[in-house]
Amino acid sequence: SQQGEEDPQALSIQEGENATMNCSYKTSINNLQWYRQNSGRGLVHLILIRSNEREKHSGRLRVTLDTSKKSSSLLITASRAADTASYFCATASGTYKYIFGTGTRLKVLA
Amino acid sequence: EPEVTQTPSHQVTQMGQEVILRCVPISNHLYFYWYRQILGQKVEFLVSFYNNEISEKSEIFDDQFSVERPDGSNFTLKIRSTKLEDSAMYFCASSDRGVGNTIYFGEGSWLTVV
Repeated sequence: SQQGEEDPQALSIQEGENATMNCSYKTSINNLQWYRQNSGRGLVHLILIRSNEREKHSGRLRVTLDTSKKSSSLLITASRAADTASYFCATASGTYKYIFGTGTRLKVLA
Repeated sequence: EPEVTQTPSHQVTQMGQEVILRCVPISNHLYFYWYRQILGQKVEFLVSFYNNEISEKSEIFDDQFSVERPDGSNFTLKIRSTKLEDSAMYFCASSDRGVGNTIYFGEGSWLTVV
C-alpha cells in the first residue's frame, strides 16, 4: 500500500469551475503538503497543513485535513487555464522525509 | 524569494558512466533531500541529509548512489555507474526544520542514460 494516494488520477474541467482533488494516506502524519508540478518542471509548494489543523486557505486554494479518515482535499476555486498541472500531496513520514502520492493531473479547458 | 538551484538541467550519459548532479540549497536551510521522478511516475524519496550525514535513505539509494556536501553551499548526488533505469528527473530539496516545515524543491536535473 502506498502512503498518499490522490484521486481522481485525472480531472478535466472548464475554466471558471472548481476543481477538487483528494488525498488518502495510511499512517499517522505530522503534517501534509500539497505541491503543483507543471509538465517537466519542478515541484511548487502550495500549502502545508499540520495535523492539528482542519482547514487552510491560500488565495483560490482551500485545503482540508481529516485525520480520523486519513484524508485531505485540495479545492481550487474559479479555475484558470494556468492551473493546468499535476497536483501531489506529500505526507511527513517520520522525521526526515516526505512521501508523495501518485498525483492528480488537472486539465483546465479555456 | 530564495530558491533551490540545480545543475545541470539536462544531462545525457553513457551507461556505466559516473554522474554528479549538483544543488545549491536555500542558504539558511539545514536539511537536504534528493528525490527522483521517472517519466510519468510518482516522485520517489531517495535520501535525506542533515548535520553532514545521511538521516534516512530509501531502498532505491543503494551503493551506486552517494551524497556529499563538499562545502557550505553545495549538495551533490553521485551515481557511480549509471544504468538505463536511472533515467529520471532528479530533484534536490531543502528545508530549515526538516519535515516540520515546508520543503522547497529545485527545478530538477533531467538525466538520460543511453
